[in-house]
Amino acid sequence: GENVEQHPSTLSVQEGDSAVIKCTYSDSASNYFPWYKQELGKRPQLIIDIRSNVGEKKDQRIAVTLNKTAKHFSLHITETQPEDSAVYFCAASARYNAGNMLTFGGGTRLMVKP
Amino acid sequence: AAGVIQSPRHLIKEKRETATLKCYPIPRHDTVYWYQQGPGQDPQFLISFYEKMQSDKGSIPDRFSAQQFSDYHSELNMSSLELGDSALYFCASSTGGKRGGTEQYFGPGTRLTVT
Repeated sequence: GENVEQHPSTLSVQEGDSAVIKCTYSDSASNYFPWYKQELGKRPQLIIDIRSNVGEKKDQRIAVTLNKTAKHFSLHITETQPEDSAVYFCAASARYNAGNMLTFGGGTRLMVKP
Repeated sequence: AAGVIQSPRHLIKEKRETATLKCYPIPRHDTVYWYQQGPGQDPQFLISFYEKMQSDKGSIPDRFSAQQFSDYHSELNMSSLELGDSALYFCASSTGGKRGGTEQYFGPGTRLTVT
């Protein structure tokens, strides 16, 4: 089955700095890579996703890059704000799975210091 | 916009009891997923349904069962509860079923505490 690894497990940045979170996956059949933000005790919220036919996607301060050859993808947050503080999860999913289950990385706790 | 609805939001049960969690997907979403999240852990996939048929199965214990009904809502039935079943249980929904690669939107979760 799929295995997703995520680094770093914790990340502390100053407000206004950039944050980068990296993930690797094992199953070359995976073709969908979402990122979720989760605040304590709340639901995971989809913030951005990328499909295997695209190398990069951007939405305001958030961008995601995908390297299919190396099987890794990254989340970039620019101009970080205190409200960006949360746990971020990457995930991977393969088209051949009916119901496309998500396999999550271990999560990154991002702390943005004002 | 309508979101995924889960009930109850909190549930306290004793060991060996049973529990039923309910999930109402976003309107016109045909696929439902169940995930279990322990404290400080990532969500773990349990089971999914597409058009009322089980479509994928993950690390769901034999003590648990689930189904999707004609109105697309889903229920997760948990029996012989153990202390280790204490966790947040999330339901997510999406469209597209077997096509794959479609966005999954999570409900608010049910916090199950087994004492």
